[in-house]
Amino acid sequence: DQQVKQNSPSLSVQEGRISILNCDYTNSMFDYFLWYKKYPAEGPTFLISISSIKDKNEDGRFTVFLNKSAKHLSLHIVPSQPGDSAVYFCAATTSGTYKYIFGTGTRLKVLA
Amino acid sequence: GAVVSQHPSRVICKSGTSVKIECRSLDFQATTMFWYRQFPKQSLMLMATSNEGSKATYEQGVEKDKFLINHASLTLSTLTVTSAHPEDSSFYICSASLSGGSTGDTQYFGPGTRLTVL
Repeated sequence: DQQVKQNSPSLSVQEGRISILNCDYTNSMFDYFLWYKKYPAEGPTFLISISSIKDKNEDGRFTVFLNKSAKHLSLHIVPSQPGDSAVYFCAATTSGTYKYIFGTGTRLKVLA
Repeated sequence: GAVVSQHPSRVICKSGTSVKIECRSLDFQATTMFWYRQFPKQSLMLMATSNEGSKATYEQGVEKDKFLINHASLTLSTLTVTSAHPEDSSFYICSASLSGGSTGDTQYFGPGTRLTVL
């Protein structure tokens, strides 16, 4: 039972354009969400997070949007840069459980 | 800040041997550390949660006698894969939480260890 889903395994975007990565979840108890970036053979690097009390969080070129009613979150990267090419994982957790549930990842390729 | 290291980065061993992987938080104290494994093109799967000075909490389906976890200090947790078999070959990643691992505390990940069992 995949509680966190990233339905697009890959995405290609031109440099300078916006990258939009999507994530859906099924468990309504999740109340904290994170995005991680991962290069091959490396551990994930934290990018940005959002609490369920918010619907948007912004950090530089990265913005995360949360739609609780749709159980959907998205990561926007603008402008996209070639160095953003990596696999992006979304993760969700519930207060007090300490347990992150990860999606399967989306491979982003930013074309120069 | 919030750097987590893992050692070794890559290990190849014979079937039946045991392998120890170390996870260290370099610039902070981690009350809670986590161990994940990742199969190719799949998600990170939590194996166990490790709290300093107490027994690890294992996820359903993870054999505690096979994957021994020790969290001896606030900066070091070790995962020992005992009597490793080829099906244990995977990418093992640890993470550390800055303050107890409750919601809102971001987990910072190590670079991972690629285990190959021949």
